[in-house]
Amino acid sequence: QVTLKESGPELVRPTETLTLTCTVSGFSLSGHRMGVSWIRQPPGKALEWLGHIFSDGRRAYSASLKSRITIYRDGSESQVVLLMTNMDPVDTATYYCARAEAANYVSAFDNCGQGIRITVSS
Amino acid sequence: QSPLTQPASVSGSPGHSITISCSGSSTDIGGYDFVSWYQQHPGKAPKLLIFDVYHRPSGISDRFSASKSGNTASLTISGLQADDEADYYCSSYSVSSTLVLFGGGTKLTVL
Repeated sequence: QVTLKESGPELVRPTETLTLTCTVSGFSLSGHRMGVSWIRQPPGKALEWLGHIFSDGRRAYSASLKSRITIYRDGSESQVVLLMTNMDPVDTATYYCARAEAANYVSAFDNCGQGIRITVSS
Repeated sequence: QSPLTQPASVSGSPGHSITISCSGSSTDIGGYDFVSWYQQHPGKAPKLLIFDVYHRPSGISDRFSASKSGNTASLTISGLQADDEADYYCSSYSVSSTLVLFGGGTKLTVL
């Protein structure tokens, strides 16, 4: 059974760096075509794609957030980390990690974590 | 403002059908057959309904169908049920540096 679960601090101060971890089970992050994206959703608003790490370690980021985001595997086959610098109240959202089977074209997320609600406030 | 355009809301009666559109451009929907659709109930994670324009994952009812024409994709839900009331999002691969685009979401109300 494939599962993903986000973890991290639920409250972040403005200007701080957010660190979120996605722990996966039921598949390997280095498995053929397996990758993980981070997606966020501000309260009452639409989904927004943040970035993706492919099974071979390549990464892609949203153009609007590229300067603030880093996604990496922590050395294990089961955890993906999202770093987002200089957090602002507008970054308040539910953050999801999601699996996508993709060699080059990230086309669909067949499994999502339950999400973690992040509030940015002083 | 989301990169892909969806109607903010649609409604339909139980047993009837509705269609949700998703408009993009030649660099995303029009250029690639990598359109997906998601259902999201309040407080829940998105759930994949359709991938690669019209394919359904196992376990998804055939009441959900989808298609694409030019730069516009569409999701049709037939035989509406109360549990279909949710938000629906389209998504597409994009040749731009932002690989994945989402629509603004459509709230479906089952009357």
